[in-house]
Amino acid sequence: QKEVEQDPGPLSVPEGAIVSLNCTYSNSAFQYFMWYRQYSRKGPELLMYTYSSGNKEDGRFTAQVDKSSKYISLFIRDSQPSDSATYLCSGGSQGNLIFGKGTKLSVKP
Amino acid sequence: GAGVSQSPSNKVTEKGKDVELRCDPISGHTALYWYRQSLGQGLEFLIYFQGNSAPDKSGLPSDRFSAERTGGSVSTLTIQRTQQEDSAVYLCASCLAGAGETQYFGPGTRLLVL
Repeated sequence: QKEVEQDPGPLSVPEGAIVSLNCTYSNSAFQYFMWYRQYSRKGPELLMYTYSSGNKEDGRFTAQVDKSSKYISLFIRDSQPSDSATYLCSGGSQGNLIFGKGTKLSVKP
Repeated sequence: GAGVSQSPSNKVTEKGKDVELRCDPISGHTALYWYRQSLGQGLEFLIYFQGNSAPDKSGLPSDRFSAERTGGSVSTLTIQRTQQEDSAVYLCASCLAGAGETQYFGPGTRLLVL
């Protein structure tokens, strides 16, 4: 079992939809959790990070972590075509990050 | 200042040749990471440098892979006797010491081994 599991998609939604992206992890030692966005032929870009269970909101994006069930989620409200990208979840501790394989999202105008 | 830069952006080589990939981290970032991203495999950790400490090489897939970081700044990833399975995007990331949760990535080098 990989330490971070993520459904690769692809996921296609209409503009304005709420998007839910999910990951599970197995390593109880993870201290922080991240979501990265990666556009085609670009490097990953950090979207959000959080240390604890609960929700963290930044504009249209909300990251949610449930440590009891080892579940990580990213919600995108009012999705835009510019949100079309691959989203990578990650967990880590002491400087080491383990990434999911990424979910490819397409938002259709 | 500028973000993480990598060169070359694309590299095509023949099987058996050696290649060198370069990473210029963000100024002041003491931690530097190399990752490999293959189709269907996600982002795979290769090696981690932190200041003057010995690097964490636990992710290097074989002894054909090596990396160095000179002067605590620029890093070079070297792949000797390249194989077709080495074809991937090689990404470099940097961050401040103790801030592994906020790594900043470069654009990557796309390596194709023919």
